[in-house]
Amino acid sequence: AQSVSQHNHHVILSEAASLELGCNYSYGGTVNLFWYVQYPGQHLQLLLKYFSGDPLVKGIKGFEAEFIKSKFSFNLRKPSVQWSDTAEYFCAVNDENSGYSTLTFGKGTMLLVSP
Amino acid sequence: DTGVSQDPRHKITKRGQNVTFRCDPISEHNRLYWYRQTLGQGPEFLTYFQNEAQLEKSRLLSDRFSAERPKGSFSTLEIQRTEQGDSAMYLCASSFSPGQGINEQYFGPGTRLTVT
Repeated sequence: AQSVSQHNHHVILSEAASLELGCNYSYGGTVNLFWYVQYPGQHLQLLLKYFSGDPLVKGIKGFEAEFIKSKFSFNLRKPSVQWSDTAEYFCAVNDENSGYSTLTFGKGTMLLVSP
Repeated sequence: DTGVSQDPRHKITKRGQNVTFRCDPISEHNRLYWYRQTLGQGPEFLTYFQNEAQLEKSRLLSDRFSAERPKGSFSTLEIQRTEQGDSAMYLCASSFSPGQGINEQYFGPGTRLTVT
């Protein structure tokens, strides 16, 4: 069964600091990869996704992620965070075994950006 | 913007009671998913429908859980004889998936269930 690991449960940064959130998955076959974000009081929103092609994908609000197949990783990055990036971030994967239907999520990383 | 909607947003019930939640997907989305999220965890998949067909239900947590999507539009999730361990956020998502492959899911705000 697919599993997803997010390395940090809580991250605290100052504004303008750089961000990298780790995500590793277990399945060795073909996968689709996602990062979702949940701002305080709001529902899950898709931040970015990788299906195929260029392993460096760009999402909304200046976020990007890099798919490294050999490392089973899909780390999220942002060069300079803002206070408004305070949120919980979830990495998610679906794979060919499930017909790319069901998402397996990591436990999430709570990011707090101090002004 | 008519995103995924869920009703009710909050439900408090006593142990042993039955509860039913409703999800209205984005129109034209043929797939509908139910997830459960507990504190400190990411969403956990429960079941999904393609149109009115329930294609995966083995991950429903017990036989007390059931879901329907009778006309391929809205869906309901029912929990019978609720237990305190059922307290969680129940999330619904939908997607348009013409076949296997690309499947971008859009989530609703969730229904928070508290079992006392």
